[in-house]
Amino acid sequence: ETGVTQSPTHLIKTRGQQVTLRCSSQSGHNTVSWYQQALGQGPQFIFQYYREEENGRGNFPPRFSGLQFPNYSSELNVNALELDDSALYLCASSSRLASSDEQYFGPGTRLTVT
Amino acid sequence: GNSVTQMEGPVTLSEEAFLTINCTYTATGYPSLFWYVQYPGEGLQLLLKATKADDKGSNKGFEATYRKETTSFHLEKGSVQVSDSAVYFCALGNQFYFGTGTSLTVIP
Repeated sequence: ETGVTQSPTHLIKTRGQQVTLRCSSQSGHNTVSWYQQALGQGPQFIFQYYREEENGRGNFPPRFSGLQFPNYSSELNVNALELDDSALYLCASSSRLASSDEQYFGPGTRLTVT
Repeated sequence: GNSVTQMEGPVTLSEEAFLTINCTYTATGYPSLFWYVQYPGEGLQLLLKATKADDKGSNKGFEATYRKETTSFHLEKGSVQVSDSAVYFCALGNQFYFGTGTSLTVIP
């Protein structure tokens, strides 16, 4: 069973640029959620995708957007990057068939905005 | 709305000491509750979970009981080891509200 993978591991961008982060969900999982974890903080929910549709969104502006593909992998896009977007971005997958909402997390992408 | 309040850290304990990390929650309905652990430089790993009131989750010597009456899910371990040093997050299920994390350092 393949776990959740994310790419890239690290990247550095300049303020105002755009970035795309990628996530492959665990085998058999049809739901992907994205989180932003600032240094020393808990993860903050960005949004969730189920069957290629957005299924809930946290308190993040529209410049944070996403996609889910038919194979359940997902992308997180952030436009007009700001310094405060520097964080660890975590992807988590889960199965709607599971009774406990359990999510499995990837190792994260560390984004630095300069 | 939903929220999780977690005990502030950092916590420093000697090896074999007793650990408690407090977590209380506010939620509509009865969501599942989780404890995740994050080792330095790594992503989050599920430590244990409880899906309904009075359930006890346990793993690797850690335990937590879903207390509806006190809206709590405190994490406990009877004898911590140096390898338990990490950041611990309490989380509320569904779309996952996380606490701010509690850093634990265990010294030999």
